[in-house]
Amino acid sequence: GDSVTQMEGPVTLSEEAFLTINCTYTATGYPSLFWYVQYPGEGLQLLLKATKADDKGSNKGFEATYRKETTSFHLEKGSVQVSDSAVYFCALSGVTGGGNKLTFGTGTQLKVEL
Amino acid sequence: ETGVTQSPTHLIKTRGQQVTLRCSSQSGHNTVSWYQQALGQGPQFIFQYYREEENGRGNFPPRFSGLQFPNYSSELNVNALELDDSALYLCASSPRTSSYNEQFFGPGTRLTVL
Repeated sequence: GDSVTQMEGPVTLSEEAFLTINCTYTATGYPSLFWYVQYPGEGLQLLLKATKADDKGSNKGFEATYRKETTSFHLEKGSVQVSDSAVYFCALSGVTGGGNKLTFGTGTQLKVEL
Repeated sequence: ETGVTQSPTHLIKTRGQQVTLRCSSQSGHNTVSWYQQALGQGPQFIFQYYREEENGRGNFPPRFSGLQFPNYSSELNVNALELDDSALYLCASSPRTSSYNEQFFGPGTRLTVL
């Protein structure tokens, strides 16, 4: 079945540092890929998405490129801020089996310090 | 545009009881999905409803059941509660049941089973 693997956290960075959170996936067909962010005590917010190979999703300075050859969708940001501290989830939406069920990774906690 | 809302925010039940959680989808969205998020884990897909019919189910026992109403709002019912059912329950809606479409999440209902 479909699965998503993320790097384990917590990841602790200083403000203005470069961020990479690795995400790889296993899926049949050609899934859509997503990054969601969860702030403490809240639900999930969509951060960015990509629906086909070589697509780059971007939002709020975050970027991720859909790499079919390496089955990866790594999240990057050039300069993180304290306000980026949250848990980040990589997810895929399969095209098989009907519907658009999301399969999530276990999440990566990011802590940004001054 | 009103986002996804869920009620109640928090709930405490005892083992063996039954619980009903409610979700109002975002305006214009006809597909509702439910996820269970255990502490420190990624959300796990429970099931999805599209036009009042179940449209996919995850690996959850039959004591997890749901409904979708003509206005696209939804309920999640859990019978014979177990301690392991303690989790954050997330509802998500999307404009159609396509894998290309992101899902928009509500804030969740925190269920504690004692």
